[in-house]
Amino acid sequence: AQKITQTQPGMFVQEKEAVTLDCTYDTSDQSYGLFWYKQPSSGEMIFLIYQGSYDEQNATEGRYSLNFQKARKSANLVISASQLGDSAMYFCAMREALSGAGSYQLTFGKGTKLSVIP
Amino acid sequence: NAGVTQTPKFRILKIGQSMTLQCTQDMNHNYMYWYRQDPGMGLKLIYYSVGAGITDKGEVPNGYNVSRSTTEDFPLRLELAAPSQTSVYFCASSRGRAGVNTEAFFGQGTRLTVV
Repeated sequence: AQKITQTQPGMFVQEKEAVTLDCTYDTSDQSYGLFWYKQPSSGEMIFLIYQGSYDEQNATEGRYSLNFQKARKSANLVISASQLGDSAMYFCAMREALSGAGSYQLTFGKGTKLSVIP
Repeated sequence: NAGVTQTPKFRILKIGQSMTLQCTQDMNHNYMYWYRQDPGMGLKLIYYSVGAGITDKGEVPNGYNVSRSTTEDFPLRLELAAPSQTSVYFCASSRGRAGVNTEAFFGQGTRLTVV
């Protein structure tokens, strides 16, 4: 079963408008972390925002905010005032514990391709 | 600020050849990871390391080997390249402490094609 589901393969948004990218997750852990990464066409992975499972407030970082609904297991990314440079792939990821040594990994969704239209 | 550095950026291998993807980080992170990204997909974990001398398998380890002799370096070895290993490879590192923001810092990626 997929642990991170991003149901929108592609999205379009008008420049200066807000857009929401969906992410749902599946875990039985009480302590976990959720991340969003941006991957522009150049290929690098850029960290955007983090939400811990015990955080009571939604995370915000500049124009990025994370709409965290724990009971629904969703962690949607909201980008306000979209800019042309926001056109990229966006990946939702969850921190999962790995067996042994207290380590963890990031499990990624398949991503959403966002295109910002001038 | 160098962060995580991967070399090479691009490589074409013939079936059966071997190569090592290099990864080094200068942030003194204990945790390091190798991911692969196939077209249209998210990243899948190949191997990880929680510190020098300690490595373990991730989700898709077959066909790969790693070593971690120092905190800084985490090379990934492909012994007998196969077309199924055509992918983009990312190295990442993090502080790795549970319960805090443990974002992973990624390298620029290595685009590998096996022909």
